Amino acid sequence: AQSVTQLDSHVSVSEGTPVLLRCNYSSSYSPSLFWYVQHPNKGLQLLLKYTSAATLVKGINGFEAEFKKSETSFHLTKPSAHMSDAAEYFCVVSEDGGATNKLIFGTGTLLAVQP
Amino acid sequence: DGGITQSPKYLFRKEGQNVTLSCEQNLNHDAMYWYRQDPGQGLRLIYYSQIVNDFQKGDIAEGYSVSREKKESFPLTVTSAQKNPTAFYLCASGQFISSGNTIYFGEGSWLTVV
Repeated sequence: AQSVTQLDSHVSVSEGTPVLLRCNYSSSYSPSLFWYVQHPNKGLQLLLKYTSAATLVKGINGFEAEFKKSETSFHLTKPSAHMSDAAEYFCVVSEDGGATNKLIFGTGTLLAVQP
Repeated sequence: DGGITQSPKYLFRKEGQNVTLSCEQNLNHDAMYWYRQDPGQGLRLIYYSQIVNDFQKGDIAEGYSVSREKKESFPLTVTSAQKNPTAFYLCASGQFISSGNTIYFGEGSWLTVV
């Protein structure tokens, strides 16, 4: 069975400093991995996705993530946090490598950005 | 504009009532999904449909029902059998592609039992 673990439920950074949101996954197949962002009372917006192409994936708003198979990790990073980055972030693995289109969600990491 | 439209945004249900949440998409996606979100628990899959007139139970289907009579529509009914329906409900849609499927979400609907 596939699963995903977000290692921090809350992360707080100062504006202008780097962001690191950690995600580990478990998968029997070659996984598809995603990061979504959710602002309060809103739907989820896709930040980026990994689908077995380049291991370093660039997304929107300056975010990127690196797929490390040896560490079963897919951590999300951004060099410099902006106030508008404050939101909840979800790491997601696609079950069966995407064949069934079922997504397994992590429990989320709430990012706070201090001025 | 292309996208996924959920309505209503806020809904109040009395005990014992059934309520239906609407989800419409104009992205021409084959697959549609309903997720429930509770604080601290991430998203849990209620039902999904990969094609018109077909749908499958997700992880927490008890107390819910769906239909998929049209490609663009996937309404969710929260029945009186659902013991704790107060939550944020998210509809999503996606398309099979060779490089991995991406699904897109609506803005969500808040359901509160009063």
